[in-house]
Amino acid sequence: GEDVEQSLFLSVREGDSSVINCTYTDSSSTYLYWYKQEPGAGLQLLTYIFSNMDMKQDQRLTVLLNKKDKHLSLRIADTQTGDSAIYFCAEPTGGGNQFYFGTGTSLTVIP
Amino acid sequence: GAVVSQHPSRVICKSGTSVKIECRSLDFQATTMFWYRQFPKQSLMLMATSNEGSKATYEQGVEKDKFLINHASLTLSTLTVTSAHPEDSSFYICSARHLAGGPNEQFFGPGTRLTVL
Repeated sequence: GEDVEQSLFLSVREGDSSVINCTYTDSSSTYLYWYKQEPGAGLQLLTYIFSNMDMKQDQRLTVLLNKKDKHLSLRIADTQTGDSAIYFCAEPTGGGNQFYFGTGTSLTVIP
Repeated sequence: GAVVSQHPSRVICKSGTSVKIECRSLDFQATTMFWYRQFPKQSLMLMATSNEGSKATYEQGVEKDKFLINHASLTLSTLTVTSAHPEDSSFYICSARHLAGGPNEQFFGPGTRLTVL
């Protein structure tokens, strides 16, 4: 679970959709998570997906999970300037106690 | 519900001094709390797992004598950075796992910015 990869930067125009990708390593993870971090702040849980699901939708957020490829994505519809932040995917390992975070994707929304 | 606080939010200290950071679960009990460190523009690195009433478990490469962790109650864990040096400057974030369980969810504190001069 130590190597959770994400692309570092993403820029989108306000109103467009954003897609943030993540590849993880531990196929036994029961859940996978997406967190948002605004500048100088802690992490806010956005959403999570159970490992036996392919997709989960929560208002503007859609999570897609491809277990075969160990690929997770977060789609934000109608992206707003308030969505500008760093987004981390995270997988629990070690029996669910330890979280390993991705490298983080810095999303910039252009007005 | 499920709010985690940290105190202080920001601290500046001189090299060689010790700094204590508190992490509290405000409205729930947490048998397990976690301490992370985040360097600028980098991801979070798990430092240690803190269990109430027992010794903390440190990740490889983290000095337990340098980063003292005490989990004295179900709502409080403290991290003490002993004899701090400029390389210890970082953003420290704690998280707490809800006693009632849930999908392995951890609730994160707002972080503490430590600057060592």
